[in-house]
Amino acid sequence: DVQLVESGGDLVQPGGSLRLSCAASGFKFSTYWMSWVRQAPGKGLQWVAHIKKDGKEKHYVDSVKGRFTISRDNGKNSLYLQLNSLTADDTAVYYCARVKPRHCIDENCYPGSFDSWGRGTLVTVSS
Amino acid sequence: EVVLTQSPATLGVSPGERVTLSCRASQSVSTNLAWYQQKPGQSPGLLIYGASTRAIGVPDRFSGSGSGTDFTLTISSLQSDDFAVYYCQQYDFWPRTFGQGTKVEIK
Repeated sequence: DVQLVESGGDLVQPGGSLRLSCAASGFKFSTYWMSWVRQAPGKGLQWVAHIKKDGKEKHYVDSVKGRFTISRDNGKNSLYLQLNSLTADDTAVYYCARVKPRHCIDENCYPGSFDSWGRGTLVTVSS
Repeated sequence: EVVLTQSPATLGVSPGERVTLSCRASQSVSTNLAWYQQKPGQSPGLLIYGASTRAIGVPDRFSGSGSGTDFTLTISSLQSDDFAVYYCQQYDFWPRTFGQGTKVEIK
């Protein structure tokens, strides 16, 4: 069974930093794009970032560009999100999600929908 | 960015009723659209991808249709387990975007 377990969420002051982790198991982690999606309290879902299977291609929502960094360690089956210069607007549950391939040409797969989700980790930015 | 507009925002339904949820995109996303279900206190789960393909394990009372800018999620006969918030999401363009959600609640 696919398992994604996030950790690292905490209460942090505005301007602070945090590193989130996602431990993956039950599938071949190194062959999938991965993503972070967040949900502010009582609000809808917001995509945050994607990373290609080899880590060489990354995409971010504009509101986090220059502040957040997505990375992965395929040897440890782990996904990370470094959060810097945090503001109250970053308060949310952060979900790790596996990205289903949309279609593949040779070994290059284009990212599609989110087919597995973790339970999330809560980041609260407050003084 | 592609804006996805879901309607209605809230839907009061009785068990056994047929439910139709709408998702409209601000520009064509072909069939690169997914639907997710989120129950209170839980993470979202994939229902439909490619606009009309059910994910593994999803009951056949759920169906998706549409292409381009107009999409529909239909629940043929609502069960008690289906009361939740439903989100559409496009994966044709960056940034990936979600609709604001439709809450299906008990009438």
